[in-house]
Amino acid sequence: DTEVTQTPKHLVMGMTNKKSLKCEQHMGHRAMYWYKQKAKKPPELMFVYSYEKLSINESVPSRFSPECPNSSLLNLHLHALQPEDSALYLCASSQMGLSYEQYFGPGTRLTVT
Amino acid sequence: KQEVTQIPAALSVPEGENLVLNCSFTDSAIYNLQWFRQDPGKGLTSLLLIQSSQREQTSGRLNASLDKSSGRSTLYIAASQPGDSATYLCAVRGGGADGLTFGKGTHLIIQP
Repeated sequence: DTEVTQTPKHLVMGMTNKKSLKCEQHMGHRAMYWYKQKAKKPPELMFVYSYEKLSINESVPSRFSPECPNSSLLNLHLHALQPEDSALYLCASSQMGLSYEQYFGPGTRLTVT
Repeated sequence: KQEVTQIPAALSVPEGENLVLNCSFTDSAIYNLQWFRQDPGKGLTSLLLIQSSQREQTSGRLNASLDKSSGRSTLYIAASQPGDSATYLCAVRGGGADGLTFGKGTHLIIQP
């Protein structure tokens, strides 16, 4: 099974809302990632959880907050987002280490109104 | 900072043709390179992974090559079919980044 699942598939939220995106994998992977993809642009790395440590892309604003409750789950908490944060949010996972293939989920389409 | 470039940006060919998509990267200190397919509004499907020590990988009608020293990779698609229509993304691991660095993709249309 090489499946990464993401919920919800679509999310519409106002700028004052708090919401969360969820990602789950059951492949035994110990590294998980969040990427953001704007329309007609390539995905850009936001966060990496590896060896139970968080690595942050310094350009990501603090209104995005990742959480890794266990090695199979990765959440992305959203608060006070801006319309320009509307994008496809992709989760990926891989075995630990830099040589392994990354498997992506179907993404959550987020619209901020 | 690693930069990945894909050429061409878009390609439209008749069904049955063999075609080549190109990818180049600026920092040759990579661990691996992945080719992905993305259908409109969907997630990424991994097609091929080439480790930095490898020269090529094959999967069905797809063949990917890697020349790490020159910073280039190609994806060869044989006997193209309308179902191959999608955006193809090249991504590298390494060059100072924790995750993958993507190119902007090649938008491929196969005409029936």
